[in-house]
Amino acid sequence: AQSVTQLGSHVSVSEGALVLLRCNYSSSVPPYLFWYVQYPNQGLQLLLKYTSAATLVKGINGFEAEFKKSETSFHLTKPSAHMSDAAEYFCAVSAEISGNTGKLIFGQGTTLQVKP
Amino acid sequence: NAGVTQTPKFQVLKTGQSMTLQCAQDMNHNSMYWYRQDPGMGLRLIYYSASEGTTDKGEVPNGYNVSRLNKREFSLRLESAAPSQTSVYFCASSQNARTGLVYGYTFGSGTRLTVV
Repeated sequence: AQSVTQLGSHVSVSEGALVLLRCNYSSSVPPYLFWYVQYPNQGLQLLLKYTSAATLVKGINGFEAEFKKSETSFHLTKPSAHMSDAAEYFCAVSAEISGNTGKLIFGQGTTLQVKP
Repeated sequence: NAGVTQTPKFQVLKTGQSMTLQCAQDMNHNSMYWYRQDPGMGLRLIYYSASEGTTDKGEVPNGYNVSRLNKREFSLRLESAAPSQTSVYFCASSQNARTGLVYGYTFGSGTRLTVV
């Protein structure tokens, strides 16, 4: 079965600093991969997705993620953090390689704190 | 605005009480999902409905039942609530299982349930 691991439950950066949130998945075959963001007291919003078209994926709000098959990783980055980026971030992977059911498996989540 | 609507937003139950969480989408989506979110555990799939008329168990179905009432509505029922079911519940939808992996899910804003 697929699994996804997010390294670090809390990440704290200063405003203007690089943001790096780590995600590793278990499959040996490239699955569908996603990053979602959850602002306080809201539902999840899609930040970006990897669907095999390109290894570097650009998302909303200046975020991007790079798919590295050799490392089974899909880390999320942003060059310069903004106060409004403070939120919880979830990495997700398709539950099956085939994707037939459309089910997603979510990581544990990483809370990003941005200090002024 | 089009999207996924969940009711109620907040609920407090006593142990042993029953209740139904409602979810409706107005995007003509075929697939719908119920997840629960717990601190440090990310989101875990309870039940899903790949299309109208079908429902299947997810990762943590025990203590829950679902009904896909029609294409728009997918309800989650707790027959005898337990403190372990204290959580935030999210409903999500996608056009179908395959496009859910291509375009991602649309999430509701969640129901915060406390069982005392």
